[in-house]
Amino acid sequence: QKEVEQNSGPLSVPEGAIASLNCTYSDRGSQSFFWYRQYSGKSPELIMFIYSNGDKEDGRFTAQLNKASQYVSLLIRDSQPSDSATYLCAVNNAGNMLTFGGGTRLMVKP
Amino acid sequence: DAGVIQSPRHEVTEMGQEVTLRCKPISGHDYLFWYRQTMMRGLELLIYFNNNVPIDDSGMPEDRFSAKMPNASFSTLKIQPSEPRDSAVYFCASRPFTENTEAFFGQGTRLTVV
Repeated sequence: QKEVEQNSGPLSVPEGAIASLNCTYSDRGSQSFFWYRQYSGKSPELIMFIYSNGDKEDGRFTAQLNKASQYVSLLIRDSQPSDSATYLCAVNNAGNMLTFGGGTRLMVKP
Repeated sequence: DAGVIQSPRHEVTEMGQEVTLRCKPISGHDYLFWYRQTMMRGLELLIYFNNNVPIDDSGMPEDRFSAKMPNASFSTLKIQPSEPRDSAVYFCASRPFTENTEAFFGQGTRLTVV
């Protein structure tokens, strides 16, 4: 079974700090990885995706991928209260099937 | 494009009744996904289609659930008969065939079975 695991949290960080969100996956054949943000009562929206080993930066967000360790992470620099949401890791499996982790709830305290 | 459109946004029904959820994907997208989200189980993939053909329905919880995609612009998820444990938010999402592209989600349908 293709699984994507995340710590459910909540992860609490002070405003201005770095938030680090982690995700592991079981399918070694997975090629691309997505981070979605979901506010309470809303639908998931894409933050960024990554498919090469290493880091990918987009503004305050950095995605990190290590395929050998089957590990993806998302760093949020200078965290803001508006970043408080649930962050979902998604893995693109064979057949372009998108499997989601359970999500990590992030709370940024002013 | 208006994005992925789902209807209804909210549905309250009695146990045993048939429920039909509807989805209009983004025009030109090749894949359509149905997900169910609950606090306990997170976002679960129920079924997905490629070019209107069901590819994987292993996530459909039981025979009470069925999904169809009669054409490229419309899909339904039907629950018959509905049970209280079916209460959840059901999302439809679509994505193009191009590799490494995101899936775009609809606003979801919040289903409550009483």
